[in-house]
Amino acid sequence: EPEVTQTPSHQVTQMGQEVILRCVPISNHLYFYWYRQILGQKVEFLVSFYNNEISEKSEIFDDQFSVERPDGSNFTLKIRSTKLEDSAMYFCASSAVSYNEQFFGPGTRLTVL
Amino acid sequence: QQQVKQSPQSLIVQKGGISIINCAYENTAFDYFPWYQQFPGKGPALLIAIRPDVSEKKEGRFTISFNKSAKQFSLHIMDSQPGDSATYFCAARSNFGNEKLTFGTGTRLTIIP
Repeated sequence: EPEVTQTPSHQVTQMGQEVILRCVPISNHLYFYWYRQILGQKVEFLVSFYNNEISEKSEIFDDQFSVERPDGSNFTLKIRSTKLEDSAMYFCASSAVSYNEQFFGPGTRLTVL
Repeated sequence: QQQVKQSPQSLIVQKGGISIINCAYENTAFDYFPWYQQFPGKGPALLIAIRPDVSEKKEGRFTISFNKSAKQFSLHIMDSQPGDSATYFCAARSNFGNEKLTFGTGTRLTIIP
């Protein structure tokens, strides 16, 4: 069964460093998302991406964040200068068509020290 | 108005019993209400979803009840099993110009023998 994959599973970084979280969405999917979940809290939407551009972003997704689809398979989330409060589980999701089921990856746990 | 309120925060049910988790929303533009199941260290996985044109949807032991006038929906797990022990999130999505899922705060369900 096709699935969304994410790497790395756990990333530890120092405050102020740049991190790139990688996702490989399901191959025929066209809509891509990033969500985050701070430990013990609810899952929060960060950004949606379609046709090589951001379609929506939340207030969390400030200038420190960026997304990119560098090739036909990967979808990345970059945090330019990490803060302690960026520590969270980051989930990538994809869907085949607009307003269809979103399939979530297993997540990347980001720890900022 | 974008929030989805979920209760209870945690729930302990005996094996074979019925688990009930409730959610409420304010935004009348929401028109898709999925429930996600999340095991520790994994991403959320879609369990069952409903649209507001029906009042109930059943898939196996899982049933969503939907009350459009009260803006409430609930998940019922019949004959609860230890393997159902997980965190359950309700969510909602509007079809007006965005596809983000707005999640509830989650319910940690524990099924005891």
